[in-house]
Amino acid sequence: GEKVEQHESTLSVREGDSAVINCTYTDTASSYFPWYKQEAGKSLHFVIDIRSNVDRKQSQRLTVLLDKKAKRFSLHITATQPEDSAIYFCAASRTSSGQKLVFGQGTILKVYL
Amino acid sequence: NAGVIQTPRHKVTGKGQEATLWCEPISGHSAVFWYRQTIVQGLEFLTYFRNQAPIDDSGMPKERFSAQMPNQSHSTLKIQSTQPQDSAVYLCASSSGLGVYEQYFGPGTRLTVL
Repeated sequence: GEKVEQHESTLSVREGDSAVINCTYTDTASSYFPWYKQEAGKSLHFVIDIRSNVDRKQSQRLTVLLDKKAKRFSLHITATQPEDSAIYFCAASRTSSGQKLVFGQGTILKVYL
Repeated sequence: NAGVIQTPRHKVTGKGQEATLWCEPISGHSAVFWYRQTIVQGLEFLTYFRNQAPIDDSGMPKERFSAQMPNQSHSTLKIQSTQPQDSAVYLCASSSGLGVYEQYFGPGTRLTVL
């Protein structure tokens, strides 16, 4: 079945630097790619998404890039802040089949001073 | 907007007992999803309703798990004869429906089977 691989299990960056988290997917029919943030002891919080009809989407300090040919997408966080520290999950879905999300394994992002 | 509500937040059951988990989606949302989160398996899709109708239960363990959505304001996930491997955080999410894909997650129910 569909798999989503999240390449970085842990990522440590200095405050103010950029962070990049990379994901790949196997299902060529995937067309929707959201990212979620999970802080310690809390649930998933939506941060940004991208659909397959575009290859880039930006929201403030967050940018998502999508390379459909390589079946790869990435989350770029600029000017990182300590409050960005959390687990980030990428996901993919076939919107045609009902939107169920297949998640990556998560990346622990640590922003240090 | 209270967001997605899940009750109870924590549940402890003995092996072989039944557990029922409740989810109240965001008012007006027509799609409800159930996921399970464990350290080992990560986040796994269980089942999905749209307009109260079951659409996809491909992630549900077949024998002991069942889900229902009797009305638009709540869904239940029932686990019969719970086993220690059922211990997980069960997450409910809702989305507003076709054409809008963002899913909003509830706080989860942490199920511990002793």
